[in-house]
Amino acid sequence: GENVEQHPSTLSVQEGDSAVIKCTYSDSASNYFPWYKQELGKRPQLIIDIRSNVGEKKDQRIAVTLNKTAKHFSLHITETQPEDSAVYFCAAPPKGYSTLTFGKGTMLLVSP
Amino acid sequence: NAGVMQNPRHLVRRRGQEARLRCSPMKGHSHVYWYRQLPEEGLKFMVYLQKENIIDESGMPKERFSAEFPKEGPSILRIQQVVRGDSAAYFCASSPGQGSTEAFFGQGTRLTVV
Repeated sequence: GENVEQHPSTLSVQEGDSAVIKCTYSDSASNYFPWYKQELGKRPQLIIDIRSNVGEKKDQRIAVTLNKTAKHFSLHITETQPEDSAVYFCAAPPKGYSTLTFGKGTMLLVSP
Repeated sequence: NAGVMQNPRHLVRRRGQEARLRCSPMKGHSHVYWYRQLPEEGLKFMVYLQKENIIDESGMPKERFSAEFPKEGPSILRIQQVVRGDSAAYFCASSPGQGSTEAFFGQGTRLTVV
């Protein structure tokens, strides 16, 4: 099955700095890579996703890059704000399935 | 579109009782997934269902846990004879299927076993 590794597990930045979270996956057939944000006590919410036919996708302050050859993808948050503080999860679907295997999560702390 | 609806939001059970968690997918979604999240941990896949079919239950414990998604009504995750280790947040997600993997989560049910 799919193995998704995510790092770092914790990331502390100052407000205004950039934050980068990286994930690697094992199944070369995976073709869809979402990122979820989970605030304390709340549901995971899809914030951005990328499909394997593109290398980068941006949405305002967040972007995701994908390197299919190396089997890794990254979340980039620029001009971080305290409300960006949350746990971020990457995910990938194993071949032939519509399920998602999640990384263990990254707790992002943005200090004002 | 009310989104994915889970109930109850909080459930307290004594050891040995049964817990029934319900999930109504988003309108138009025919695929349902259940995930378990232990305190300060990630999301662990449990089971993937379509209407009247279990597609993948590789993440379900072999005993005491079962899931269904009937033709009518919500998906149900049932935990029999609960133990303290079952205490967790259980999230349901739904997707349209038909090649789409985009999944949207419900608010979760927080199960506490006392």
